[in-house]
This record gives sequence, C-alpha cells and structure tokens, in this order.
Amino acid sequence: DAGVTQSPTHLIKTRGQQVTLRCSPKSGHDTVSWYQQALGQGPQFIFQYYEEEERQRGNFPDRFSGHQFPNYSSELNVNALLLGDSALYLCASSFGGVSYEQYFGPGTRLTVT
Amino acid sequence: AQKVTQAQTEISVVEKEDVTLDCVYETRDTTYYLFWYKQPPSGELVFLIRRNSFDEQNEISGRYSWNFQKSTSSFNFTITASQVVDSAVYFCALSENYGQNFVFGPGTRLSVLP
Repeated sequence: DAGVTQSPTHLIKTRGQQVTLRCSPKSGHDTVSWYQQALGQGPQFIFQYYEEEERQRGNFPDRFSGHQFPNYSSELNVNALLLGDSALYLCASSFGGVSYEQYFGPGTRLTVT
Repeated sequence: AQKVTQAQTEISVVEKEDVTLDCVYETRDTTYYLFWYKQPPSGELVFLIRRNSFDEQNEISGRYSWNFQKSTSSFNFTITASQVVDSAVYFCALSENYGQNFVFGPGTRLSVLP
C-alpha cells in the first residue's frame, strides 16, 4: 500500500521564477492538503483540495495556487518566488474532505536563491 | 482563532530518563481534535496520536503516554525510559470543525543522549 509520495525531493530555484510541486495521495484517499514548513518552525497550512476544488485556504498570498486532478493527485504552484519561500513543502492526504486522519509525505525541499 | 503553544523549544535528556513535552491549545470550538506528530531528521511527519475533545481518557502506547486535560487546555506527551531513537522534533497540533483548520505548534526538539 503506497503512502503519500511527493516529487521532486529537492529543488533549487531563482527569485522570481515559478515552481510546481507534485503530490500523490495514499491509496483510498481523496483529499490533499499542503503545508509550508520554514526551518525551525511548525508546518503552516496553505490549502486543501477535495473534489478537485480548493476547500480551505490558510494565510498565504495568491502567488500560491493549486490543482487537484481526477485521480486525486495534486499540484502546488508558486509564482514570483521570493527568498522567503524557501522551505520544506509537505503534502498530506486524507479522506472525505477532513483532516483528522491525515498522512504526510516526505516533503519537497525548495531553496530559492 | 485557534492556537497551539509548545513552550519548550529544546529538551536534552540522557537515555532512559523520562521526559514530558508540553502542549497548550486555544480554541473556541467545543468539538476539536488534538494530535502529536514526530518529525525525525528525515523530515517526514509521523503520526503518533489523535484525541477528540470528548475523550479525556489518558492513553498509553508502549513507552508513550498522553495526558489530556480540558480544564487547563493541555495535551502533554510523556516518553518513559527515553531512547536515542526518540530524538526528533515533536509537534502538537489542533484541528477544529471536524477536521478542518489544522494548526501546528512550533515544535519541541528532543535530544536523547546515550
């Protein structure tokens, strides 16, 4: 039973560029949430996708956008990258649009130079 | 707005010592869930426990135990006879509204020395 997978593992981008991160949920899950974890801090909720729609959003600017595909996988897009976007981006999957039983992926480490 | 506080930024103990990680939360909801996650150096968050607001029973799982007290809005985590493999960052988290609005605390870095 495959768990949550994320790609790529690491990514280096230049300020102003755009980046796309990918997440495949755990088998049987239909809900994907994205989190940003800056160094030394707890994860911060970005948004959640369920039924191919953004259901909830944290306090992140519109530069952060996402998408969920019919197979429940998801993408996180960040435009106009800033140095402060450097972080570990975690994806979590769950079932039924709720998060009280969510499983996390290994994360994508994004470095913006 | 909900909030999770973990006052201990870093804790160091010697192997076999007991250690308690504190978690204090704030919420206006009567229905909520509390969680503990472990984040080893590899970075992946590992789920340890979930507790809903209607269940104040303490829980023990091997060397791990959790003390949930609604009166003080606390959900503390104790590791008995700590081991080097317990070294990690531990996060307490709160979810309101039947699994929405997931909020993590800042984490406590635990170092268990041999």
